[in-house]
Amino acid sequence: DSGVTQTPKHLITATGQRVTLRCSPRSGDLSVYWYQQSLDQGLQFLIQYYNGEERAKGNILERFSAQQFPDLHSELNLSSLELGDSALYFCASSASDMNTEAFFGQGTRLTVV
Amino acid sequence: GENVEQHPSTLSVQEGDSAVIKCTYSDSASNYFPWYKQELGKGPQLIIDIRSNVGEKKDQRIAVTLNKTAKHFSLHITETQPEDSAVYFCAAVWGDQKVTFGIGTKLQVIP
Repeated sequence: DSGVTQTPKHLITATGQRVTLRCSPRSGDLSVYWYQQSLDQGLQFLIQYYNGEERAKGNILERFSAQQFPDLHSELNLSSLELGDSALYFCASSASDMNTEAFFGQGTRLTVV
Repeated sequence: GENVEQHPSTLSVQEGDSAVIKCTYSDSASNYFPWYKQELGKGPQLIIDIRSNVGEKKDQRIAVTLNKTAKHFSLHITETQPEDSAVYFCAAVWGDQKVTFGIGTKLQVIP
């Protein structure tokens, strides 16, 4: 158990809908990272938050957004969902803002139908 | 941005043999190189990492080497066991804490 908690584990929704994925980092970790894993794109970095502030941005679509709350948990919002958004979404956390020694959660499997 | 190439994509070894997975990167500014193991239905697990100012690091049966000049780094697993069977990802961390992953190597250890 990495100590990073993601909910829900599975999510099935229709095209055009909006969903929110939640992540609780390991105790004491200030950074949260979001990743998307799909068969065709592999594992891709989406975005990083550090202590409530956006720190780095990767291949995140404009339809996606994230935030980190004062209690350090984070949410990833996916809107206007398309079939191609079906993927595993992982959250990871680390103590520093340098994307080192990051620990992953178990992921949320999103299926868009 | 950074480009990370990883090979082989699949690797089968006999139990007890060694396994080597290789990655190359393109951005000389990359400064941190983690390796992750992902088992079916689970998230990637950090197994070893190396920073750009170090050439080699070892942790029990696992070792990583880094050649900054050639921009490549490798994962070495010795005395492989069936529980080492998984998908392994290399990654490179570059400017602004961004990370690029390799495509993954599916390792099968045959008992």
